[in-house]
Amino acid sequence: EAQVTQNPRYLITVTGKKLTVTCSQNMNHEYMSWYRQDPGLGLRQIYYSMNVEVTDKGDVPEGYKVSRKEKRNFPLILESPSPNQTSLYFCASSLDLVTGELFFGEGSRLTVL
Amino acid sequence: GQNIDQPTEMTATEGAIVQINCTYQTSGFNGLFWYQQHAGEAPTFLSYNVLDGLEEKGRFSSFLSRSKGYSYLLLKELQMKDSASYLCARGGYKLSFGAGTTVTVRA
Repeated sequence: EAQVTQNPRYLITVTGKKLTVTCSQNMNHEYMSWYRQDPGLGLRQIYYSMNVEVTDKGDVPEGYKVSRKEKRNFPLILESPSPNQTSLYFCASSLDLVTGELFFGEGSRLTVL
Repeated sequence: GQNIDQPTEMTATEGAIVQINCTYQTSGFNGLFWYQQHAGEAPTFLSYNVLDGLEEKGRFSSFLSRSKGYSYLLLKELQMKDSASYLCARGGYKLSFGAGTTVTVRA
């Protein structure tokens, strides 16, 4: 089954404790992206990757890192989480973002205390 | 962001029609997407417009006017399951989303 898989789905952590949210897709998509979704603000792009070893900042990259060592994986790293990073995070992939749709993971709800 | 504007909320009756408008910046435009998101779930793709005009897909249609920086999503014969948030997104590698329109369908 074609899918985008994120882990963990839910996480409560404390300020400053490094964490990684993993994202994996099995559709051989070149494009992958991370979004955060907050009430009233909609989906905001954090980072995106057009291919292996190619990543770029989205609209809200501060406090986040990503890597794209393999085509299927695109982990999101919070080196020192802060409470303002409490949010719902979505990973997404696409074969061709110019005309193609985004396939989203189920989301990861992160709470930073 | 890319200044994508859509109404926050809309309410309609089962069986009715609702039109959700979306305006966006026209510079560097590369297609307009609509996604549906039910509460607590991930967004799912509804439609993509790159040329002017109306694209129809069953009960859902999407319209685009590139010169006006305007699109709308038309939902016909509304059903209770259509209660969701509808997201307008401006295409490109830095795909940008509007804040979403929450549609509530009442019996």
